Amino acid sequence: GAVVSQHPSWVICKSGTSVKIECRSLDFQATTMFWYRQFPKQSLMLMATSNEGSKATYEQGVEKDKFLINHASLTLSTLTVTSAHPEDSSFYICSARKGAGSYEQYFGPGTRLTVT
Amino acid sequence: AQTVTQSQPEMSVQEAETVTLSCTYDTSESDYYLFWYKQPPSRQMILVIRQEAYKQQNATENRFSVNFQKAAKSFSLKISDSQLGDAAMYFCAYRLTQGGSEKLVFGKGTKLTVNP
Repeated sequence: GAVVSQHPSWVICKSGTSVKIECRSLDFQATTMFWYRQFPKQSLMLMATSNEGSKATYEQGVEKDKFLINHASLTLSTLTVTSAHPEDSSFYICSARKGAGSYEQYFGPGTRLTVT
Repeated sequence: AQTVTQSQPEMSVQEAETVTLSCTYDTSESDYYLFWYKQPPSRQMILVIRQEAYKQQNATENRFSVNFQKAAKSFSLKISDSQLGDAAMYFCAYRLTQGGSEKLVFGKGTKLTVNP
């Protein structure tokens, strides 16, 4: 149990366009989902935390108007990179937590975004 | 601020041998969680082991064990009988809780190579 999927696994988009990445908890309900960004050969940096039905909480330095996060249901969160630029190219990873009493995060397989 | 430091960017070990990866952290909290995650070339984050700070006993999961020294704020990972499949990036992480929110703070990672 506790499987998290991401779609797409790899996406290429042109500079100036928007791209949406989906994160789904397949066999559990996730009250909280997290979005991370990982540059090559670097660690994971938390971008934002989303709770179902409420606005996401963004980390300092993350542009909320550029990285739109929606957590519309207990099994789905989406990250939309708006007006993408080449510097947004990165590996985006989501994770999900089952409930308030749970401390473990289950990670998705990640999405590689390349902006040309 | 809570920080996690992994002082070994790269480590190598011979197959069947034992290797220890180091991690130190900084916190003012008395109760918290620590994790070791493995990220193989597939980029999927895999939880290796977790330690609850209030537990004095070191966590063990098969060939993986930790040496948790709370006073020294040290949390090292020992891999026994290393296998080729253990080759990966290993990230130490601290679960930070603040004002009702939580996040994982990751170290910069240690790249483990297993030599046949």
